[in-house]
Amino acid sequence: DTGVSQDPRHKITKRGQNVTFRCDPISEHNRLYWYRQTLGQGPEFLTYFQNEAQLEKSRLLSDRFSAERPKGSFSTLEIQRTEQGDSAMYLCASSTTQNTEAFFGQGTRLTVV
Amino acid sequence: AQSVTQLDSQVPVFEEAPVELRCNYSSSVSVYLFWYVQYPNQGLQLLLKYLSGSTLVESINGFEAEFNKSQTSFHLRKPSVHISDTAEYFCAVSAMDTGRRALTFGSGTRLQVQP
Repeated sequence: DTGVSQDPRHKITKRGQNVTFRCDPISEHNRLYWYRQTLGQGPEFLTYFQNEAQLEKSRLLSDRFSAERPKGSFSTLEIQRTEQGDSAMYLCASSTTQNTEAFFGQGTRLTVV
Repeated sequence: AQSVTQLDSQVPVFEEAPVELRCNYSSSVSVYLFWYVQYPNQGLQLLLKYLSGSTLVESINGFEAEFNKSQTSFHLRKPSVHISDTAEYFCAVSAMDTGRRALTFGSGTRLQVQP
């Protein structure tokens, strides 16, 4: 399967714990995006990488959130001191500089209890 | 900045009936327009996109959407729906003249096809 891969698919964590999600983009896609989708809503943009550089962060990305993309390949999204309001589906997407279309992974569903 | 409004949160329809899912957008710059479909517990799949040229765009599974610049709309239509079309549909835009291409989504329309 050469699509966007996200791991884990589901994560249940206790409030206050740290969690980390991984996204493997389509090979040779230099752009990578993270979105958050809460129940009944459309995805909301969190952050964007071009190669290893994080070029933009949404104001939704509080200081408890950090994303990295070392070496411009896979990316990780870490949430520290999770809160119940962090419960959501976290979606990763990738594209090339030339593409107008982003390809999405299946998402990681986070439940904070 | 861009915003997208999907006027209907749910659209129930009988199988083989026509359907229209409405989408309006607001933007201070020119945009690309997209429709994505999301099946339960899945990521988003691109259904169709408008970049330029003909204002009517079609997907391989019978959906079509028409870009109307004066009404800032990009409504999605299908002349005859199937049970398998039951899903959540999201309209989205991205700014044409910036490099980031991040998408701004509407809140989605749940299409429920009944037998």
